[in-house]
Amino acid sequence: LAKTTQPISMDSYEGQEVNITCSHNNIATNDYITWYQQFPSQGPRFIIQGYKTKVTNEVASLFIPADRKSSTLSLPRVSLSDTAVYYCLVGADTSGGSYIPTFGRGTSLIVHP
Amino acid sequence: DVKVTQSSRYLVKRTGEKVFLECVQDMDHENMFWYRQDPGLGLRLIYFSYDVKMKEKGDIPEGYSVSREKKERFSLILESASTNQTSMYLCASTGGSMNTEAFFGQGTRLTVV
Repeated sequence: LAKTTQPISMDSYEGQEVNITCSHNNIATNDYITWYQQFPSQGPRFIIQGYKTKVTNEVASLFIPADRKSSTLSLPRVSLSDTAVYYCLVGADTSGGSYIPTFGRGTSLIVHP
Repeated sequence: DVKVTQSSRYLVKRTGEKVFLECVQDMDHENMFWYRQDPGLGLRLIYFSYDVKMKEKGDIPEGYSVSREKKERFSLILESASTNQTSMYLCASTGGSMNTEAFFGQGTRLTVV
């Protein structure tokens, strides 16, 4: 199972771009990189997933270098409502061929006015 | 809109009680999971199930059991609740082995007194 390392916390201000980097040095060839967002008192919510290069959706962008040993979640022009914990997941333990989402401690992002 | 529903948002139980936490998903997903989340510890996997009547232990199964009699329903059972089981409990589901997006319920905040 690929272990991930991400900052415990980050601070930003409204309107800024926020980049959260996750390192996963032992990522396996078949592993995808997935990011989740969690607001207080709610379950995590899928944000974005990628395998290599760049992926963009209406919420965020995900940048993955060629060696795939890290990835960066980019949130453009954050607002107060982006204050949340962000989790980076890579690969999975498998049992019976099923994917098991394995979460670390995540990055607590606080957006200030 | 896809949905994972947990039966209670808040529960208060007494030490020694048998506690049932229920989770239902409407996406016909094969895989279901129970996590607990405590401050500073992220999400920790208690049990998961990849098919009806199948169950596998996660990282912290002690003091818990599960039941999956129907595909859409996955129950977490605290055989004899203790104060150290006071936590936020989160249920999630995923599709087949190639589907890695996890859908979470809103969580149940359990307090054992």
